[in-house]
Amino acid sequence: DAGVIQSPRHEVTEMGQEVTLRCKPISGHNSLFWYRQTMMRGLELLIYFNNNVPIDDSGMPEDRFSAKMPNASFSTLKIQPSEPRDSAVYFCASRNSQGDPEAFFGQGTRLTVV
Amino acid sequence: AQSVTQPDIHITVSEGASLELRCNYSYGATPYLFWYVQSPGQGLQLLLKYFSGDTLVQGIKGFEAEFKRSQSSFNLRKPSVHWSDAAEYFCAVGAYSSNTGKLIFGQGTTLQVKP
Repeated sequence: DAGVIQSPRHEVTEMGQEVTLRCKPISGHNSLFWYRQTMMRGLELLIYFNNNVPIDDSGMPEDRFSAKMPNASFSTLKIQPSEPRDSAVYFCASRNSQGDPEAFFGQGTRLTVV
Repeated sequence: AQSVTQPDIHITVSEGASLELRCNYSYGATPYLFWYVQSPGQGLQLLLKYFSGDTLVQGIKGFEAEFKRSQSSFNLRKPSVHWSDAAEYFCAVGAYSSNTGKLIFGQGTTLQVKP
């Protein structure tokens, strides 16, 4: 398996623009997590899905952030409108809730909002 | 509430010296515990994990960790550090129930290795 695949790897956008980050979990994994990593706040869990259903979105910073998982093999994290303080590395991770509980991480998307 | 604390933000050790990275957790049930490593510009790679059984677990790259329930700790150790071990290390607890749940991370410890 290719692992968790995130795209794009790098994104530079202007303040106010919409940004969409994409994630393809490992095939067969039914839990998916979105994390944000910054120097100040470390790794923050934004939202996680189980069987394509959002379970806990309490980490989503504000209404500008939204996440979807239309099917078992794809998820998006959207920021609209983007702000400079959204600049961070965004990680997607997946796990099989019926198997070993470790999560596997993608390479991340480095977002820069100017 | 579930939480993970890594008391040391930054540690510097000499190559060949031993290493111990501390991790304390707060969780109401028996936790699933993990250590991940992150090299610059990379994602997180699992070093080792603890679910149950033997409290001393072995991982990749010569790392081991010991679960101590009485101290709510899961410290990571390596007897002899290599320059390639320089990275950021994250301790995490899996707050799982009913086959769902979230993975909560500590703030991370940055390891610098001196030649």
